[in-house]
Amino acid sequence: GAVVSQHPSRVICKSGTSVKIECRSLDFQATTMFWYRQFPKQSLMLMATSNEGSKATYEQGVEKDKFLINHASLTLSTLTVTSAHPEDSSFYICSAKGTSGGASEQYFGPGTRLTVT
Amino acid sequence: AQTVTQSQPEMSVQEAETVTLSCTYDTSENNYYLFWYKQPPSRQMILVIRQEAYKQQNATENRFSVNFQKAAKSFSLKISDSQLGDTAMYFCAFGGSARQLTFGSGTQLTVLP
Repeated sequence: GAVVSQHPSRVICKSGTSVKIECRSLDFQATTMFWYRQFPKQSLMLMATSNEGSKATYEQGVEKDKFLINHASLTLSTLTVTSAHPEDSSFYICSAKGTSGGASEQYFGPGTRLTVT
Repeated sequence: AQTVTQSQPEMSVQEAETVTLSCTYDTSENNYYLFWYKQPPSRQMILVIRQEAYKQQNATENRFSVNFQKAAKSFSLKISDSQLGDTAMYFCAFGGSARQLTFGSGTQLTVLP
């Protein structure tokens, strides 16, 4: 089956610094990738939709200047949390969609736990 | 906009017993997909089962089956012969013409030994 990786799995950074999270589709081309944020015991909250070669589409309330998304190739999307603060601490999950249509094929990465001290 | 509702925040079941998780959704679309995802303590999202709305036959995957009632906009998940490894958060999700999935709030299932 399709595999999506995320790196790093855990990261601790100091307040005010930036951190980059990578999401890779290992065995398929992903025209679209999604970035989610998940708080403990809660559902996944969609932050943004990342399209290869174009600007990301952010959900309402998500600061695009704080959460920078780049989808430079069909297998890689990155999320950069800029000037991180403790309230950005969370679990971030990406998913990747194949090149066929519809919402039938999305594959999830294992997630990245971000802790801002 | 689509909404997905899971009205059972927590459930428990004895090992080897059967449990049903509820999910209702609201949409004006006619062609869509419905999914059940499992998120164990590792937090990796795992696809359990998928149903295509145009198919009347309920999807089954080994011990997992769904009861899809399109008119009632209901999509419940039945787990038979529950195992300790089934302990996880279960999310119902809707996928329609929009590329993203809409998730329910989740049901934490605990399988008791």
